[in-house]
Amino acid sequence: QVHLQESGPGLLKPSETLSLTCTVSSGSINNYYWHWIRQSPGKGLEWIGYVDYSGNTNYNPSLKSRVAISVDTSKNQFSLKLNSVTAADTAVYYCARGALSVVPPSYYYYYLDVWGKGTTLTVSS
Amino acid sequence: DIQMTQSPTSLSASVGDRVTITCRASQYINTFLNWYQQTPGKAPKLLIYAAATLQTGVPSRFSGSGSGTDFALTISNLQPEDFATYYCQQSFTTPRTFGHGTKVDMK
Repeated sequence: QVHLQESGPGLLKPSETLSLTCTVSSGSINNYYWHWIRQSPGKGLEWIGYVDYSGNTNYNPSLKSRVAISVDTSKNQFSLKLNSVTAADTAVYYCARGALSVVPPSYYYYYLDVWGKGTTLTVSS
Repeated sequence: DIQMTQSPTSLSASVGDRVTITCRASQYINTFLNWYQQTPGKAPKLLIYAAATLQTGVPSRFSGSGSGTDFALTISNLQPEDFATYYCQQSFTTPRTFGHGTKVDMK
């Protein structure tokens, strides 16, 4: 059973950089997409972006100028960096595995089938 | 971005009830629609993908339907562990977007 665990600081000051790591255990990081999602009371669930095992990324345009997601296959980990944080970035941050089902003739169904427990970030001076 | 609108925002039901939650996409998304369940303090859990395919291990009382822009999640014979918040999410394009959730609580 694949398990995901987020780690990172719980508290940052405005303008600092958030660095989170998600460790993938009991499974390979290969052949999947690895996502970050956040949840705040005001904005609900917000998709941040993903990285695949080759390092290809796709980001939410609303965050693209501040975000970077990377993968370290040797450690079975992937990471999120979000710079210049503000109070609006206060949220629970989840990492999740993106899986794919292919249905002929050419439908590619993507979904988030394994999630970490989430880590809370508070941005406050 | 594709906007996902769920209704109702909340509903009250009893054990044994049949419950239906709807989700509407702001544009055509074929059947690229997923449903998740979230209980307080926990991460979302995948229930259904491709609009109607039950994830492994999810009870058969959950079912999904719809295509295009209109979708539904139905829970037949509601169980105590089903009181939760449910989210739809489109996987038609990026950025992936979620509905704002439907909270199912006990009547």
